[in-house]
Amino acid sequence: QKEVEQDPGPLSVPEGAIVSLNCTYSNSAFQYFMWYRQYSRKGPELLMYTYSSGNKEDGRFTAQVDKSSKYISLFIRDSQPSDSATYLCAMSGNSGGYQKVTFGIGTKLQVIP
Amino acid sequence: NAGVTQTPKFRILKIGQSMTLQCTQDMNHNYMYWYRQDPGMGLKLIYYSVGAGITDKGEVPNGYNVSRSTTEDFPLRLELAAPSQTSVYFCASSYLRTGTETQYFGPGTRLLVL
Repeated sequence: QKEVEQDPGPLSVPEGAIVSLNCTYSNSAFQYFMWYRQYSRKGPELLMYTYSSGNKEDGRFTAQVDKSSKYISLFIRDSQPSDSATYLCAMSGNSGGYQKVTFGIGTKLQVIP
Repeated sequence: NAGVTQTPKFRILKIGQSMTLQCTQDMNHNYMYWYRQDPGMGLKLIYYSVGAGITDKGEVPNGYNVSRSTTEDFPLRLELAAPSQTSVYFCASSYLRTGTETQYFGPGTRLLVL
């Protein structure tokens, strides 16, 4: 079983839709949860991060963590064509003193005008 | 601020050839990383460095070598290229290695080994 599972998509939605992107994980030691956005042929860039369980909102983006279910989500409201990208979840936590960051494989999102 | 820069952008290698992928950051970050990204496999850590003169292996170090003589530069060396090393390589840097800091990624180097 992979430490982090993420559906690769692709996910196609019409402009203005609410998008829900999700990851599940198996490692209970994960404490920090991040979402990176990667445009085609570019490097990933950090979108949001959260610590432990709860919600965090930033403009049209909301990150949600449920540690009891080992499940994290990223919601995008009023999606725009410029949101078309691959979204990678990432997680980290103490692992014998080594702070390892584990990435999901990424979900490809297309927002259709 | 250029951030993290990588050269070359794209390279074709023959099996058995060697090459060095260059990475430079101008943010005075102490931590630097090399990842490879393959379709359906996500980002895999090859090597990382916590400062000049200090490097350590990541998940997939076989076939690669690194050095870190300065804070700014972190080159990745492929000694005997193999088709399995066909991938997109990303260099990244961060200020602290705590798991909460932002990792800043370069634009990537696409490598094809034939």
